[in-house]
Amino acid sequence: DTAVSQTPKYLVTQMGNDKSIKCEQNLGHDTMYWYKQDSKKFLKIMFSYNNKELIINETVPNRFSPKSPDKAHLNLHINSLELGDSAVYFCASSPHRGTYTEAFFGQGTRLTVV
Amino acid sequence: DQQVKQNSPSLSVQEGRISILNCDYTNSMFDYFLWYKKYPAEGPTFLISISSIKDKNEDGRFTVFLNKSAKHLSLHIVPSQPGDSAVYFCAASLTSGTYKYIFGTGTRLKVLA
Repeated sequence: DTAVSQTPKYLVTQMGNDKSIKCEQNLGHDTMYWYKQDSKKFLKIMFSYNNKELIINETVPNRFSPKSPDKAHLNLHINSLELGDSAVYFCASSPHRGTYTEAFFGQGTRLTVV
Repeated sequence: DQQVKQNSPSLSVQEGRISILNCDYTNSMFDYFLWYKKYPAEGPTFLISISSIKDKNEDGRFTVFLNKSAKHLSLHIVPSQPGDSAVYFCAASLTSGTYKYIFGTGTRLKVLA
């Protein structure tokens, strides 16, 4: 019973395409995140949602659009994919804002744009 | 502007010895610090954390030390085991206001048998 699951695990696509990555958590957490790990292995936050409301948008190009249909799901849609979007994308969740708790991560989606 | 830094990209240690991983941060408002471990092709997994009101937290072989005046934390693993070989990320967060975890660039630990 996976706590935070992402699909797909691998995604290879051509430049200019539109793609989506899905994330689901079964932990009952209020907050969900998308992180990007680039070629330098730096884990950088992209978005955070709390109870379906966007609370963090870290200067990500507007080709990236997160969508949270409910508290347990946070999907990432990427339009007009570029070579520089190639990275590993991690979804994560945490219980509440304002508490000393850790985030739980999914296994990652390796996106390769060719 | 990287607020959390891990200046050692890699570290090799003999099995049974102590591994010390270091992390520095710049924002004195951070009040919660975490260490994550990451194996290839997996997501980061939580290891240990410490709040800013403490200077030490221990969990089995893992101890985290926090020096607020120096804005420095470290993770000690003793004794180190080959299964500890992984990339370790330090992270910091602010529990008030906009809540997010800010990660360092990671240190690859290799424990030699």
